[in-house]
Amino acid sequence: GQQLNQSPQSMFIQEGEDVSMNCTSSSIFNTWLWYKQDPGEGPVLLIALYKAGELTSNGRLTAQFGITRKDSFLNISASIPSDVGIYFCAGRSGESGGSNYKLTFGKGTLLTVNP
Amino acid sequence: NAGVTQTPKFQVLKTGQSMTLQCAQDMNHEYMSWYRQDPGMGLRLIHYSVGAGITDQGEVPNGYNVSRSTTEDFPLRLLSAAPSQTSVYFCASSYIAESGSPEAFFGQGTRLTVV
Repeated sequence: GQQLNQSPQSMFIQEGEDVSMNCTSSSIFNTWLWYKQDPGEGPVLLIALYKAGELTSNGRLTAQFGITRKDSFLNISASIPSDVGIYFCAGRSGESGGSNYKLTFGKGTLLTVNP
Repeated sequence: NAGVTQTPKFQVLKTGQSMTLQCAQDMNHEYMSWYRQDPGMGLRLIHYSVGAGITDQGEVPNGYNVSRSTTEDFPLRLLSAAPSQTSVYFCASSYIAESGSPEAFFGQGTRLTVV
């Protein structure tokens, strides 16, 4: 099946530093999504990307849909303590209604921010 | 607007018992899915549905059944619980692309322990 390789697995940074994480896939995706999960909660959508090459920002977060449609990255600028959590990438490849219309997740990046 | 509601939040089962995890959404989403989350494994897809009456298997379907009799509800049944099914279970829903934005919204999870 489809697999997403998300890296790094974990990051330990100082408050104020910038962060970058990425996902790569062996297959093409039509949609890339980035989620954050706080302890004891479900994942919450941060950014959605729909077109190859698209660059989208949400506050201090910026994500890009790779032009090959097989990768995406997420940047967080000027990190703060509340950025702590697990960040997941997810990709969707199939046409709506088809059997491949499922969301595949990376294994997550655990971010720790030291104040 | 409640979004995606999962019940129960916590459950302890004995090996061999059966139970149903409930998931309901009030956003009229066509697509619903179940994931399990285990340490270091990310979110793995168990089953999904692209509409009422249509279900399909995900990455780890063994030991689980689903049905989709209404748009709103997508229950997950454990037929005979095993310790390997100890996990946190998340339900998610989204529109299918033509109907609206395809981002997935998650419930808060069900933490299941099988002893």
